[in-house]
Amino acid sequence: GQQLNQSPQSMFIQEGEDVSMNCTSSSIFNTWLWYKQDPGEGPVLLIALYKAGELTSNGRLTAQFGITRKDSFLNISASIPSDVGIYFCAGQLRGSSNTGKLIFGQGTTLQVKP
Amino acid sequence: DGGITQSPKYLFRKEGQNVTLSCEQNLNHDAMYWYRQDPGQGLRLIYYSQIVNDFQKGDIAEGYSVSREKKESFPLTVTSAQKNPTAFYLCASSTPLHYEQYFGPGTRLTVT
Repeated sequence: GQQLNQSPQSMFIQEGEDVSMNCTSSSIFNTWLWYKQDPGEGPVLLIALYKAGELTSNGRLTAQFGITRKDSFLNISASIPSDVGIYFCAGQLRGSSNTGKLIFGQGTTLQVKP
Repeated sequence: DGGITQSPKYLFRKEGQNVTLSCEQNLNHDAMYWYRQDPGQGLRLIYYSQIVNDFQKGDIAEGYSVSREKKESFPLTVTSAQKNPTAFYLCASSTPLHYEQYFGPGTRLTVT
């Protein structure tokens, strides 16, 4: 099936540092979503992107829809301990608009050292 | 409060038994989804339903069954035919014109 390559797989950073992660694919996407999952809980939607080149912020989080429509980036500025968790990208493939199906990346595990 | 509920949070079953996981939403969403998550992995789609009385297989439907008799409810049955049922199961819902899926808190199923 279709795959999203999410990197890095894990990150261990110092509190206050900025964080960057990304998702790439060989396929074109119409929508990119970024989720955060706390241990033992369901993912929570952070940011949704619908247009190529779109840059959207949610507090200290900023995400971008790549202009090629094959990638997306998430940045977290000035990390704090509660940023710890697994971050997932998800995309809606061009041509799958009538199903609502999303493809998920493998996740980036973020650990923050106080 | 609008949201998605899944019950129970933890479920234990003996091998060979069927088990049904509950998913209810009061968001008035038409579409609902079931995912499976294994440790260190992403989410894999089991089944999805875009409207009442209709559902489609996802990428890993073998050994699972669903029903969609009400808009609010989308129960998942893990049958004895599922060879490796121990996993974290997540339910989600979305509006038909929106691709933003909202997730429930999950059910952790352990089969021994």
